[in-house]
Amino acid sequence: DGGITQSPKYLFRKEGQNVTLSCEQNLNHDAMYWYRQDPGQGLRLIYYSQIVNDFQKGDIAEGYSVSREKKESFPLTVTSAQKNPTAFYLCASTPTGSLTYEQYFGPGTRLTVT
Amino acid sequence: SQKIEQNSEALNIQEGKTATLTCNYTNYSPAYLQWYRQDPGRGPVFLLLIRENEKEKRKERLKVTFDTTLKQSLFHITASQPADSATYLCALGHDSGYALNFGKGTSLLVTP
Repeated sequence: DGGITQSPKYLFRKEGQNVTLSCEQNLNHDAMYWYRQDPGQGLRLIYYSQIVNDFQKGDIAEGYSVSREKKESFPLTVTSAQKNPTAFYLCASTPTGSLTYEQYFGPGTRLTVT
Repeated sequence: SQKIEQNSEALNIQEGKTATLTCNYTNYSPAYLQWYRQDPGRGPVFLLLIRENEKEKRKERLKVTFDTTLKQSLFHITASQPADSATYLCALGHDSGYALNFGKGTSLLVTP
């Protein structure tokens, strides 16, 4: 059963705490992405990685950090420096050489910070 | 700055009719445009891709057009069904990489 898994589905944290969101894929995809979605908003790119041990900032990287030590895993850390961390976070991946550039999305993690 | 606009208001149509959603963009020269479907609380699902040199693409009841002069894509669902009710997102990309720019999406409600 291949796909992208994100855990947990719901996450609650106190303000000032760092929190790490998990993203794992067994699709053997090279490229992985993190997006943030706020109510009534489109997806905004936080970070992306096209290969292991390499990643680039997206449009809203401030207050976030990532690592890509394994092809299958691309965890996102929401740091206390992120001013408005409450949002729906989506992880996605794309196979290298894809003719449709299709992004496969995980089920998302809804983070609430109070 | 780059801007992608989709109908901000929800589109309500009757079952069996054709739904037409619009995606307009400015300050952008995409190599391709994609449409995704997103159900509440879930990740988007890829539907169709159309490249800059293509005018129209079809897949079952779906049809996408791409006018690079007007900087617009139209997404049509023919013979719509209540199960088509969802939010539809357009996304633009370049061949140089896989990172996409998404619109805010249009909510479609198909009533019996």
